[in-house]
Amino acid sequence: AQSVSQHNHHVILSEAASLELGCNYSYGGTVNLFWYVQYPGQHLQLLLKYFSGDPLVKGIKGFEAEFIKSKFSFNLRKPSVQWSDTAEYFCAVNAQNSGTYKYIFGTGTRLKVLA
Amino acid sequence: SQTIHQWPATLVQPVGSPLSLECTVEGTSNPNLYWYRQAAGRGLQLLFYSVGIGQISSEVPQNLSASRPQDRQFILSSKKLLLSDSGFYLCAWSAPRGSYNEQFFGPGTRLTVL
Repeated sequence: AQSVSQHNHHVILSEAASLELGCNYSYGGTVNLFWYVQYPGQHLQLLLKYFSGDPLVKGIKGFEAEFIKSKFSFNLRKPSVQWSDTAEYFCAVNAQNSGTYKYIFGTGTRLKVLA
Repeated sequence: SQTIHQWPATLVQPVGSPLSLECTVEGTSNPNLYWYRQAAGRGLQLLFYSVGIGQISSEVPQNLSASRPQDRQFILSSKKLLLSDSGFYLCAWSAPRGSYNEQFFGPGTRLTVL
């Protein structure tokens, strides 16, 4: 069965610090990978996605993620966080050609950025 | 453009009462539809998904059921609520069968069972 692990449940950073949130998945086939963000009081929204091609993908608000197939990882990064990045971040996986259209989510990482 | 609606936004129900949460999508056809429950520290738990009218896949055996009476309508129900059904319920849609794309989420329903 597919699963997604997010190693950091709570992260506290000061503004301008660099961010890296870990995401590992388990599935032997081809996957689509996503990072979603939920700002306080707002809907879940897509931050970035990877389907194929360049394993380094760039998303909104200066975020990027790198797909490392050999490590089954899709870590999220931002070189310099802002107070407005305070939110909960979810990694998700969708297995291509699995015969289902399920998306499996990690447990989320709550990021707090101190001004 | 596509939009997704959920109602009600909040709901307080007594134990043993029935439940009906509704989700509708506008601006797309044949979407895949999903119900999730979001709990603090546990992420999003997929409850049901549907690839077409009347087609429901259940992911977690529990006290809830789902139905899709129309192409863009997805309903989450229960005949008798339990305390453990309290939570934040999210509806989502994605592009139709045969394509893979991101999901779009509704605003959610906060359910409290007393």
